[in-house]
Amino acid sequence: QQQVKQSPQSLIVQKGGISIINCAYENTAFDYFPWYQQFPGKGPALLIAIRPDVSEKKEGRFTISFNKSAKQFSLHIMDSQPGDSATYFCAARKLTGGGNKLTFGTGTQLKVEL
Amino acid sequence: GAGVSQTPSNKVTEKGKYVELRCDPISGHTALYWYRQSLGQGPEFLIYFQGTGAADDSGLPNDRFFAVRPEGSVSTLKIQRTERGDSAVYLCATRLAGATGELFFGEGSRLTVL
Repeated sequence: QQQVKQSPQSLIVQKGGISIINCAYENTAFDYFPWYQQFPGKGPALLIAIRPDVSEKKEGRFTISFNKSAKQFSLHIMDSQPGDSATYFCAARKLTGGGNKLTFGTGTQLKVEL
Repeated sequence: GAGVSQTPSNKVTEKGKYVELRCDPISGHTALYWYRQSLGQGPEFLIYFQGTGAADDSGLPNDRFFAVRPEGSVSTLKIQRTERGDSAVYLCATRLAGATGELFFGEGSRLTVL
C-alpha cells in the first residue's frame, strides 16, 4: 500500500521557469509533511516542511502548498536553476505515536535546462 | 564528524553471504533510523532506535535483517544469507531527541548482491 503518491516521475523545466511537484496522501494521521532534495550519490536533505494547520509555506524560491481537505500538497520551485537539478521526495510523518519515521513518495527527477 | 557517516560506501557480495553496514551518528543525536532505497524509489523505513533500544522494527523485511546499537551511538545493520533482492542503498539518518527534530541522512551504503 503506497501511502504517499508522488507525480510526475520526471520533469524538465527551462531555466527561470516554475517546477511543480505534487503529492497525495491517504493516512489522515499524518501531521508533518517535508520535502527532501537528493543529489546523485548523496543522502536526502531536508528542503522545506509544512504542518497541516497552514496552507502555504515559503522559503526563498521554494513554496509548499497544502490542501488538507484534498489530502494533497505540492512543491513549487520558482525561478528554477540548473543547480536545482536533483531528485525530490515528498514525505509524511506521524508526530504522535509514529516514532517520527517518514513515509516517502517515489521521487521526481527534476532537470533544469539552460 | 560533522555529519552522519556510513561505511562502507560500497559493498559487493555474493548471494548467501553475511554483510554488516555501519552508521556513525552526529554527536549527541539520540534517535537513529535505517532506511533502504531501491533504484528509482523513495527510501523505505526499516528500523528506529531511541538510545540503545529498537523502538520500532516494523520495517525489517524478514528475520535475515537485524540491527544493533549497543552503546546508543554507532549502529550496525546486519544482513544474513543475502539475496539479490537485497541490493539497494542503505541509508542511516539521525536526529536530536524531541519529536520534531530534523532528520539528517548519511550518504548511504550501496549494497550489491551478485
